[in-house]
Amino acid sequence: SQQGEEDPQALSIQEGENATMNCSYKTSINNLQWYRQNSGRGLVHLILIRSNEREKHSGRLRVTLDTSKKSSSLLITASRAADTASYFCAAALSSGSARQLTFGSGTQLTVLP
Amino acid sequence: DAGITQSPRHKVTETGTPVTLRCHQTENHRYMYWYRQDPGHGLRLIHYSYGVKDTDKGEVSDGYSVSRSKTEDFLLTLESATSSQTSVYFCAISVGTLQETQYFGPGTRLLVL
Repeated sequence: SQQGEEDPQALSIQEGENATMNCSYKTSINNLQWYRQNSGRGLVHLILIRSNEREKHSGRLRVTLDTSKKSSSLLITASRAADTASYFCAAALSSGSARQLTFGSGTQLTVLP
Repeated sequence: DAGITQSPRHKVTETGTPVTLRCHQTENHRYMYWYRQDPGHGLRLIHYSYGVKDTDKGEVSDGYSVSRSKTEDFLLTLESATSSQTSVYFCAISVGTLQETQYFGPGTRLLVL
């Protein structure tokens, strides 16, 4: 079963708008990561937030983590057409190897020029 | 930058035939992973390795075997391919100071007829 479930499954916005994607997970985690995948390519790591952190920023990316609700959100500000991709959350479970990740099914983001 | 190559990049085979996919890394990363990606399922872990000759099963290991006789190579074998194994296969390695994030290869598209 999947730990990470993204919401929405698909999101379409205009260039310049903000995009928010949500992820829920089921059990305790060591950290929660977000990855991006362009069509036909491998996944690329974007950002990692640890279980004792509540918010993290990297450029136009902002990630929040609420361990009480077992949820995380990824905010992309001032989106660009080049941000069009699929975005996946990945949970590093407390119960498993610290290196194993469990991926969600992803959010397909389309940024219209 | 970590370098990962996967071969072949595309393969068409027939049901019942054996298939071996190769993942090759150019640096001495300890942890390597094989995932499959299917629509609506995100990435699911098939097998992983934590060293030469050290491997373990992931979430969807049935019908797959792996081998790692050298640090740089991680092989995924479908002993007798079935149509349900039609998928895109990704290899990944753990990278970073704490080996917490993953770096992905370009993927192999496998079609089992």
